Amino acid sequence: DIQMTQSPSSLSASVGDRVTITCRASQSISSYLNWYQQKPGKAPKLLIYAASSLQSGVPSRFSGSGSGTDFTLTISSLQPEDFATYYCQQSYSTLRSTFGGGTKVEIK
Amino acid sequence: EVQLVESGGGLVQPGRSLRLSCAASGFTFDDYAMHWVRQAPGKGLEWVSGISWNSGSIGYADSVKGRFTISRDNAKNSLYLQMNSLRAEDTALYYCAKDIWSPLHNILSYFDYWGQGTLVTVSS
Repeated sequence: DIQMTQSPSSLSASVGDRVTITCRASQSISSYLNWYQQKPGKAPKLLIYAASSLQSGVPSRFSGSGSGTDFTLTISSLQPEDFATYYCQQSYSTLRSTFGGGTKVEIK
Repeated sequence: EVQLVESGGGLVQPGRSLRLSCAASGFTFDDYAMHWVRQAPGKGLEWVSGISWNSGSIGYADSVKGRFTISRDNAKNSLYLQMNSLRAEDTALYYCAKDIWSPLHNILSYFDYWGQGTLVTVSS
């Protein structure tokens, strides 16, 4: 199975900060990488698909980049509603998908 | 409006079985792959199983292979997960998720809609 490793596992940031979360795959997955946001008590929400495509309705302060094994989710200016946990997911193997361990973004 | 409503969760003893259901509406169910994803209390997301639109392709996580069976009934717009030989480590909130992967969109895969989950607790 393809292992997905996210870093950091948690971070503290202030409103307005630029935040970067990284995700590394154990083998090349081309651009088959998706990002989700999850708030407490809620289902995950799709933010970015195919490494860099913004899902409809998601604010443009969210962006994704990378290909192969190394990927990045960037929030250009952190807003109060962005405090949540973020997960990457590889869909290179659609029916053997895997998620990263998550990154919790907390208020500094 | 797309809706995914899971049911069938509950408290079950180790070694017993449980069947989860997911009722789908608001889209053409038999056009899309579907998945089960779980989240243990306080933990991250774990992909459990997925099934293609016509049930022709199925996959399982190693942690459930041989114990869980995914299926779908396109006539009933429903997804199922038969869980046998349950273990304490299967305790989790189980989400049903719709994939964009379809016969007309068969390159990309991502989960664009999720249900609210059904809680499975395995304990004696």
